[in-house]
Amino acid sequence: GQQVMQIPQYQHVQEGEDFTTYCNSSTTLSNIQWYKQRPGGHPVFLIQLVKSGEVKKQKRLTFQFGEAKKNSSLHITATQTTDVGTYFCGHYGGSQGNLIFGKGTKLSVKP
Amino acid sequence: GAVVSQHPSWVICKSGTSVKIECRSLDFQATTMFWYRQFPKQSLMLMATSNEGSKATYEQGVEKDKFLINHASLTLSTLTVTSAHPEDSSFYICSARTGGIGGYTFGSGTRLTVV
Repeated sequence: GQQVMQIPQYQHVQEGEDFTTYCNSSTTLSNIQWYKQRPGGHPVFLIQLVKSGEVKKQKRLTFQFGEAKKNSSLHITATQTTDVGTYFCGHYGGSQGNLIFGKGTKLSVKP
Repeated sequence: GAVVSQHPSWVICKSGTSVKIECRSLDFQATTMFWYRQFPKQSLMLMATSNEGSKATYEQGVEKDKFLINHASLTLSTLTVTSAHPEDSSFYICSARTGGIGGYTFGSGTRLTVV
């Protein structure tokens, strides 16, 4: 399956600042999913995008899927300490029907 | 929503012993269960895919004789780490696809420490 590149690897922000993580693929993706993993926890599904140019919002989180379906972003407005964790993008493209994950972006928020 | 129950949450074992990790789908039937391994500060790497009633499919580089997977029913998949060594210490997570737009549901993970 096609690997996805995720940047940045780490992001440290002051509480109240915005945060964005990007996921990029060299080939067209059929879908993109985003997960959040809190420290010591397991990944929790946030959202799935499937349409070109799709934008979805969940409160302070905005998810976008590029027009070419090769990139995606997750933007958090006015971060809070509860946003701390690692955010992974992934797509349903493994040979076994599994998710292929990006390396994740670890977000830390300074109060 | 769909829940995958994973046990134990953490386990410490001696080198040479075996450890069994269970994943149960509580309110849906998981014909396929994915087993991942996650090293500190790294992403999740697929180890193997278990399918109910058939042999598991292992990813390249994963020793199938060391990581025994059984998927005897539509709601239970197990991973047994045999003859564990310190380098097997890791975070193991199972996952099942719940269909629709619900993505994949993950178990809570098992932190294995081999001493």
